[in-house]
Formats: sequence, C-alpha cells, structure tokens
Amino acid sequence: ETGVTQSPTHLIKTRGQQVTLRCSSQSGHNTVSWYQQALGQGPQFIFQYYREEENGRGNFPPRFSGLQFPNYSSELNVNALELDDSALYLCASSPGTGGSYEQYFGPGTRLTVT
Amino acid sequence: GQNIDQPTEMTATEGAIVQINCTYQTSGFNGLFWYQQHAGEAPTFLSYNVLDGLEEKGRFSSFLSRSKGYSYLLLKELQMKDSASYLCAVTQAAGNKLTFGGGTRVLVKP
Repeated sequence: ETGVTQSPTHLIKTRGQQVTLRCSSQSGHNTVSWYQQALGQGPQFIFQYYREEENGRGNFPPRFSGLQFPNYSSELNVNALELDDSALYLCASSPGTGGSYEQYFGPGTRLTVT
Repeated sequence: GQNIDQPTEMTATEGAIVQINCTYQTSGFNGLFWYQQHAGEAPTFLSYNVLDGLEEKGRFSSFLSRSKGYSYLLLKELQMKDSASYLCAVTQAAGNKLTFGGGTRVLVKP
C-alpha cells in the first residue's frame, strides 16, 4: 500500500510569484486535506476536498486555491506569494470525511518565499 | 471561536513518565486526536478519543473528559526516540477536519 506522497520536497519562490504543490493520496482514500505549518507551530487547516468537491475551508484568503482530480490526487495553488507564506505545507488523506477517520499525512513541501 | 492549549515544551528523563495536557474550547466538539511529529517529518497518528475515559495503546495512553474540555497524553517508559513534538487536535460536527494546538515539544534526556 503506497502512502501519501507530496512534490516537490522543497521550493524557493520570490514574493509575488505563484506556486503549485501536489499530493497523491493513499490508495483507497477519497478525501484530501491541506494544512500549513509555520515553524514551531501546529498545522492550520487550509481546505479539504472530497470526491473532487471542496468540503470546507479554513481562514485562508482566496489566493489559496485547490483542486482534486478523479484519481483523488490534489493540488494546492497559491497566487501572489507573500513572505508569510513560507511554511511546511502538509497534505493528508483519509478514506472519508467522517469524524473518526484518521488522516494520514504526507512528508510535506517546505516552501520558502524570499 | 476555537482555542486549543497545550504546553510549549517539556523535558523528561529516559525511562520516566510524561503527561502532556491539552485543554480545548470549541463548538460542536466531536473527537480528539493526538499526533507525534519528529522534526522535519510528517505527523503520525497516536490516538483518537471520542468518549470519556482512557485509551491505552502500549506505552502511550490518552484520556478525554468532554465535560471539562480536557485531554492528556501519557508517555510511559520514555525512550530517546520519543523526543518529538506532540500535537493535540480536535474535530467538530461530523467531519474530520483537524484543528491543532501549537504542539508540545518533548525532550528526553539520558
């Protein structure tokens, strides 16, 4: 069983640029959630996708957008990058959206905005 | 709003016991998860509590009191590899979107 994978591992961008991060969910999982983790803090929920539809969004501006594909992989897009967007971006998949479903995290993408 | 509090850092000796507390104030509370995160790595699942009481899993146990908005994670027989951050997270309503606390960094000393 293949776990959650993310690409790229590390990324350096300049303020104002746009970035796309990718996530492949674990086999059999139809739900993907994205989190932003600043250094020394807990992850913050960005949004969740369930069967290609957005299923909830955290307190992030519209320049954070996402997509889920028919194979349940997902993308996170961030436009007009700001210095504060520098963080570890974590993707997590689960077999559904029920409250008891554990989320399985990928290794993350470390984004640095200069 | 939501508020999840846990201590920032704790230090303990190898072989000892450490208890990490987590208090929460959240509407529509559903359940509480504990995750372990080693530096630079992904969080990994430790435990899930939805009913009051203690859940034991090997050296790790987790407790929940819904009426008090309180949970703790108990780590017994500490090993050096237990040095990591421990994240408390709650879910609301019927969903599994996680709202995390700031994490507790545990340092295990020989």
